[in-house]
This record gives sequence, C-alpha cells and structure tokens, in this order.
Amino acid sequence: AQSVTQPDIHITVSEGASLELRCNYSYGATPYLFWYVQSPGQGLQLLLKYFSGDTLVQGIKGFEAEFKRSQSSFNLRKPSVHWSDAAEYFCAVRTSGTYKYIFGTGTRLKVLA
Amino acid sequence: AAGVIQSPRHLIKEKRETATLKCYPIPRHDTVYWYQQGPGQDPQFLISFYEKMQSDKGSIPDRFSAQQFSDYHSELNMSSLELGDSALYFCASSFLSLENTQYFGPGTRLTVL
Repeated sequence: AQSVTQPDIHITVSEGASLELRCNYSYGATPYLFWYVQSPGQGLQLLLKYFSGDTLVQGIKGFEAEFKRSQSSFNLRKPSVHWSDAAEYFCAVRTSGTYKYIFGTGTRLKVLA
Repeated sequence: AAGVIQSPRHLIKEKRETATLKCYPIPRHDTVYWYQQGPGQDPQFLISFYEKMQSDKGSIPDRFSAQQFSDYHSELNMSSLELGDSALYFCASSFLSLENTQYFGPGTRLTVL
C-alpha cells in the first residue's frame, strides 16, 4: 500500500534560518507529490506540486521542493524562514489510477523570533 | 479567485444526532472530495464524486453518506453521531485531469457532545 512518511513531528527554527522538511513516500511508480500548509484552525493551502519534468519545483511563499527518485523523497525547503511560516506542513501523494490523496502525519513548524 | 466554500464552519451536535455538511466547489470544477481530520491527525480520505457519481471511497463509516448535485455542490450526511466523529471535515475540489490538483476549503469543525 502507498504511504507517506514525515519523520519530523516538530521542528523549531530561528527566524531567518534555513528550513528543510522531510517527506518520504512508498510507491512503485512515480507518484504525484504535493506540499500543503495548514495554519491553526485553517484549511489546507497548496504550496507546490510535482508531476513530472524538472525535479526542483518552486512554490508560493518562497518554498521549493526537490523530487529524488533514488531516495523516494520530496523534501520541502526554504532559505530564510519568516515568523509567519509557523504552521503545520503536510506532504501528500496521489498515485495513478486513483485521485485520492494520502497525507503524511504532518510536521509542525515553530519559528523563534 | 473563487475558492471552495464549506458551510457551516462550525457545528455542535449531541450524540446520536444527525449533521449535514455542505461543500461548494470552485466554479468549473467537476470533482469533489471529502476528508476527515481528527485532532492532531492527518486528513483521511472519505469519499469523492465526479460528475455526480461516486468515484472513490475511503474509510467512510456506514453511518455517513454523501452525494453530489447537478450544480456540483456536495453534501456529507452524518447520522447517529458519536463522540469520535468530532473532527475537522474538509472538502476539496478539482477539475478532473491528469494533474488533478485538489484545492481545499476552510473546513467544517464538528463537535459532538
């Protein structure tokens, strides 16, 4: 069965520091990959997505993610974190033949001033 | 840009009561998805509809039912509510395509007392 793993439940970084959130998936073929952000009590906002082509994808709010087939990973990065980035981040996978998403358990980001 | 609309945003019910959640997709989107997010959990796929037909089914309890109407809005009906049904219920919509990116609404927070 397909699965998504986000190894880090909580991450704390200082404002201005760089950020990397990890995401690993389990699926035989190349999946469709997404990162969403959820602020407290809010809905899920799409940050970026990967379907094919260039393995480095750019998203909104200065985020980027890199698809690495050899590592089955799709890590999210940001060079300089802002206090407003504090939120929960979900990696999601959609596999061919179905349109439902499978979400990881999320990583809660805390930003220190 | 228009987003997914969900109503109500908050709902409080007693055990064994019935609840109806509504979802209005982004204009021209033809597919609707329902997800349930328990406290501190990742969103879990419940069910989806494409052109008013059920297209996929996840871990939706038999007490729940859903449908999509001719104007593409969808309703999730929940009967015999249990305490464990307390969660944030998300609706997402997409235009069915190879990419099929889902856009999420703000969610309905259901509290069962």
